[in-house]
Amino acid sequence: KNQVEQSPQSLIILEGKNCTLQCNYTVSPFSNLRWYKQDTGRGPVSLTIMTFSENTKSNGRYTATLDADTKQSSLHITASQLSDSASYICVDHGGSQGNLIFGKGTKLSVKP
Amino acid sequence: GAGVSQSPSNKVTEKGKDVELRCDPISGHTALYWYRQRLGQGLEFLIYFQGNSAPDKSGLPSDRFSAERTGESVSTLTIQRTQQEDSAVYLCASGSYYTFGSGTRLTVV
Repeated sequence: KNQVEQSPQSLIILEGKNCTLQCNYTVSPFSNLRWYKQDTGRGPVSLTIMTFSENTKSNGRYTATLDADTKQSSLHITASQLSDSASYICVDHGGSQGNLIFGKGTKLSVKP
Repeated sequence: GAGVSQSPSNKVTEKGKDVELRCDPISGHTALYWYRQRLGQGLEFLIYFQGNSAPDKSGLPSDRFSAERTGESVSTLTIQRTQQEDSAVYLCASGSYYTFGSGTRLTVV
């Protein structure tokens, strides 16, 4: 079964600290692997999209990495801010239209 | 418009009633997707439109669910005879980069 598993399920950190979120996926080969940020009550917003050949991509304070051999991805957040509090969702795009497999997300809380 | 717009943002309905959820995609986006997100769960694919056609409707959970799209623009997701397990956030996305709307939170009481 195609799955995307994320860890931890939830995380609390202090403002200014760094953190790393993990994602394991199963669909391979895939078209791309994505990380989304979902604020409470809002739709997911794309942070990064990585193709099979990329192993790192940055978007401001967010850096995603990809290891196609181990089928793992991580999202590193640097110098966290209160506004980073959200769910972070890893998505495996298997290639066909509509075929996005979503993880359940990691709920990040950044405290002052 | 500048983004994907969904309406209503919240809907409370009685069990057994029909509901219609609307999605206005970004202008020019031919691809449109519907997803469902239950509390604490990942997004579940429902249906994909390319233009006004739906080449993949494999995610619709039952024949109570249907969707249509007209003018390669607005899409409507209809749920007939709603059940409590239909309670969820229904999200629409458009374009190859999957730009999402804010969703419709459906509560069936």
